Amino acid sequence: QITLKESGPTLVKPTQTLTLTCTFSGFSLSTSGVGVGWIRQPPGKALEWLALIYWNDDKRYSPSLKSRLTITKDTSKNQVVLTMTNMDPVDTATYYCAHILGYCSSTSCPGVWFDPWGQGTLVTVSS
Amino acid sequence: DIVMTQTPLSLSVTPGQPASISCKSSQSLLHSDGKTYLYWYLQKPGQSPQLLIYEVSSRFSGVPDRFSGSGSGTDFTLKISRVEAEDVGVYYCMQGIHLPITFGQGTRLEIK
Repeated sequence: QITLKESGPTLVKPTQTLTLTCTFSGFSLSTSGVGVGWIRQPPGKALEWLALIYWNDDKRYSPSLKSRLTITKDTSKNQVVLTMTNMDPVDTATYYCAHILGYCSSTSCPGVWFDPWGQGTLVTVSS
Repeated sequence: DIVMTQTPLSLSVTPGQPASISCKSSQSLLHSDGKTYLYWYLQKPGQSPQLLIYEVSSRFSGVPDRFSGSGSGTDFTLKISRVEAEDVGVYYCMQGIHLPITFGQGTRLEIK
């Protein structure tokens, strides 16, 4: 059974850097074809994909946030870390990590879906 | 970016009645491999999204057969043949053919 759980601060101040950790079980990020993605959801709003990372350390970022995001993995710890710099109140959201099967090229993600998702962690940006 | 537009944004359905949600993409989701990469998720109240449908019309493992997906190119539909109380939540379509991956704005299903 695959499970994922997000952890990190619940409150960050504007301009600070957010660091979130996704700890997972039931799969290995050293297995070919496997990835982990991050998606966020502002309160009452829609889902927004942020970034993903693969077993081979390939990474993909949302272009609109690419300058602020970094995704890394620690295969030995079964963890994926997402950092987002220069946080702003509009970044207030529930942040989810999710297991990925399927491979995104630099331009396309045919056959890629997110399942399952973690429970999410609400991050509030406020001074 | 591909814009995914869902209609309606909300609907209220009597149990046992059908429901239909439309999703339109700003570009074709047909890949050169012949497949169309359109997905449907359901986010039940207080829960994380769960995959319902992949590649337009394939039900994910464990999804009841009252859920069906159809469409092609840029126009897609999710249908629930007979709505049950457990179907309440927000439904999202998602495309994966072009980065960035994008989602629709969601359709909230309520029970009358």
